Amino acid sequence: NAGVTQTPKFQVLKTGQSMTLQCAQDMNHEYMSWYRQDPGMGLRLIHYSVGAGITDQGEVPNGYNVSRSTTEDFPLRLLSAAPSQTSVYFCASSLYSGFYGYTFGSGTRLTVV
Amino acid sequence: TQLLEQSPQFLSIQEGENLTVYCNSSSVFSSLQWYRQEPGEGPVLLVTVVTGGEVKKLKRLTFQFGDARKDSSLHITAAQPGDTGLYLCAGVTYGGGSQGNLIFGKGTKLSVKP
Repeated sequence: NAGVTQTPKFQVLKTGQSMTLQCAQDMNHEYMSWYRQDPGMGLRLIHYSVGAGITDQGEVPNGYNVSRSTTEDFPLRLLSAAPSQTSVYFCASSLYSGFYGYTFGSGTRLTVV
Repeated sequence: TQLLEQSPQFLSIQEGENLTVYCNSSSVFSSLQWYRQEPGEGPVLLVTVVTGGEVKKLKRLTFQFGDARKDSSLHITAAQPGDTGLYLCAGVTYGGGSQGNLIFGKGTKLSVKP
């Protein structure tokens, strides 16, 4: 089925390790975003992209990097994992600037020990 | 900072009861979206409302966007166990460099018991 694919589904990291969360969509959506979801905090925007080659910071960007070399892929990199980055991460994409709604992936549950 | 206040945070009701979830802000949004999320999955879009005063119906769910585009409500009639889940409202930011990004409420966790 078409949609947003995130890998891996689960990941455990040690403090200080780095890793990349993968996100791919096959709907030719221009807008893509990364959110983290924490209990009591809701979903918060980490980084977003309005098209290939264009990225910008969201509400909680520290400790994360993104790049957008193609329309389809929008990976999220954790540079040096910290326990505070333990969370569930969601990638989302939208056709028209998010105005009519986003399609979300099924998430990556990350634990940093 | 734009905020969306969603209430109630938790709701536990019996099958057949009606309920309303509220989403309020002091900010104006270009559109407001409602999502439903089940455990272990990402949010799934239910509806988008874009015009002040707009009302949309999706089977037993009725969504309303406030006249001033600052608030919204979700009303469920005759709730069923299949309605159980986390309901999220999200406003689309209006103008500026972050236009199109979503501001989420913290969600309403609904449990409908048979």
